[in-house]
Formats: sequence, C-alpha cells, structure tokens
Amino acid sequence: NAGVMQNPRHLVRRRGQEARLRCSPMKGHSHVYWYRQLPEEGLKFMVYLQKENIIDESGMPKERFSAEFPKEGPSILRIQQVVRGDSAAYFCASSPQGNEDEAFFGQGTRLTVV
Amino acid sequence: AQRVTQPEKLLSVFKGAPVELKCNYSYSGSPELFWYVQYSRQRLQLLLRHISRESIKGFTADLNKGETSFHLKKPFAQEEDSAMYYCALRGGGGSNYKLTFGKGTLLTVNP
Repeated sequence: NAGVMQNPRHLVRRRGQEARLRCSPMKGHSHVYWYRQLPEEGLKFMVYLQKENIIDESGMPKERFSAEFPKEGPSILRIQQVVRGDSAAYFCASSPQGNEDEAFFGQGTRLTVV
Repeated sequence: AQRVTQPEKLLSVFKGAPVELKCNYSYSGSPELFWYVQYSRQRLQLLLRHISRESIKGFTADLNKGETSFHLKKPFAQEEDSAMYYCALRGGGGSNYKLTFGKGTLLTVNP
C-alpha cells in the first residue's frame, strides 16, 4: 500500500491562474480530508469528503476554493484565480471510515503563487 | 472554540538528555489528543494518541485534564528523534473527525 499520494509535490502558479491539487487515498479508504498549512502556522482543517459527497466544508474559504471526491479517481482541491495568500502547504489525509479512525496523511503539495 | 498551543517553536537538546515538548489545549468537552511527527522529507505520521496509553519509540504523553496539557516526553533523546512534532486535538460530538493542530515544535537532537 503506497499510502496517501498527493501530486504534484510542488506547484507554482502566477496570480490569477488556477491550481488543481490531487489526492489519492490509501486503498480501502473512502474518507478524505484536506488541511492547509500557512507559513509559521499549524495545519488547519478545510474540508471532509466521502465519495461523491462533501460532508463538512466549514474550513473552506467561501470563494475560489472547491473540492470534490468523485466515484472514480482522486480527490481534487481546486483554487481558482490564485492570490499570493494562497501560498501554503496543502495536506490530504484519508481514513477507512470517519470518526475515531486514524487519519493517514500524504506528503503534501506546496503551492507557491508568484 | 478548540485550540492547541505549543509554546516552543524550537527545542534543542543533546543526545541522551531528557526531552519534553509542551502542549496545552482548550476544549470544553472530552477531547482526544494526539502527537504527530514529521521527519525530514517524510509525511506527517501519528506518533501516539492518549487513549492508547502506550509508549512509541520511547515517547510517552499523559493527558492532564486539570492543567489541560498533553506534554510529550522521552527520558533519553536520540539523534533520530530530530523532527517536527505537532500536537493535535480531536473533538467529540458531530465533528469527531476534525483535527486541530498546534503550530509545531522543531526538535533538534545534537550529537
């Protein structure tokens, strides 16, 4: 089991472009979580998804950010019209079920907006 | 609102010395506390959780509800313990999947 796979590891975007971050959960895991880590900060919860469902997006900025976890394929975190303040490390985690399960983290995608 | 505070951004000790990484939390209910570790160039991984009450790689952490603390301790630090350590809290109720992290402490163990 390769673990939670995130790609790309590093992503550079110019202001105004779109960023698409991908997360493939561990085999057998149907629950995905996205966290963002701004410089000098801890990881902050963004969104919790199950296949084809957004369960909790309370940590997502209201504009420009969206997430999906389709029936087939990886979970995608999409940031439209990126700004410098979006520069951060974005981590994905997965668990076999929700609640009380250990969440396994990917290595993260470091987004730099220039 | 739940909060996790790790007061030390950096901690440096010598090999064989005791180490304690501090973590304080604020949460109104009964939290579940974790320590995560991130070694250089590796992914964040769970080190231990308070409900397990186990020792991993020589590390222990005791939940002190009176002091709202969950400090991580090891009696004799090793060079391979050098890493970033994050304390995290998971609340109960309807959102017991959501982790709240501290800002992390970078531990350096010198030879």
